[in-house]
Amino acid sequence: KQEVTQIPAALSVPEGENLVLNCSFTDSAIYNLQWFRQDPGKGLTSLLLIQSSQREQTSGRLNASLDKSSGRSTLYIAASQPGDSATYLCAAGSSNTGKLIFGQGTTLQVKP
Amino acid sequence: SAVISQKPSRDICQRGTSLTIQCQVDSQVTMMFWYRQQPGQSLTLIATANQGSEATYESGFVIDKFPISRPNLTFSTLTVSNMSPEDSSIYLCSAGGGGLGAFFGQGTRLTVV
Repeated sequence: KQEVTQIPAALSVPEGENLVLNCSFTDSAIYNLQWFRQDPGKGLTSLLLIQSSQREQTSGRLNASLDKSSGRSTLYIAASQPGDSATYLCAAGSSNTGKLIFGQGTTLQVKP
Repeated sequence: SAVISQKPSRDICQRGTSLTIQCQVDSQVTMMFWYRQQPGQSLTLIATANQGSEATYESGFVIDKFPISRPNLTFSTLTVSNMSPEDSSIYLCSAGGGGLGAFFGQGTRLTVV
């Protein structure tokens, strides 16, 4: 049974810092891994999707990597801004259906 | 990616009553998913809804409590039945997969009093 873990649970950084959020999964036979952002009380916004055959994806200041052999993914945020403050969730997909197993999330606060 | 519209966005309900949440996708999708997010927690999958067949429920969730309909390839409903305060959560529907990944509605924030 797939289990997804995110470390740290919470993170507070000053504006401008580069930071890394970690995600680990127990079953390396994943189909894809997806990173989401969730603002308080809101739905999920997809940030990056990494297929199992890929090693990383980039979008603007965000870069996500995937290492299936070690069961890890990282989300790198460059030059953090207060607007980046949110909860970041990683989720592992076991097939192409869209069904996901979520980690507990990392709540990020970027201080001005 | 497709757009999912979810209604209502929030509701406050009396215990013992039921609430039906609607999820509309702007394109046809094979599978739709319903998740629950309890306060301060991550998302837990309730069930997978396929068009034309009964939903498949995850461990800990039963059809009598969370009946699901999937009448066509763009629409699904989740009913939260005989509600108690423990059902207070955000409920989210999702669809997609494959090369585009999963996408989500904006969620329904349910408070049971």
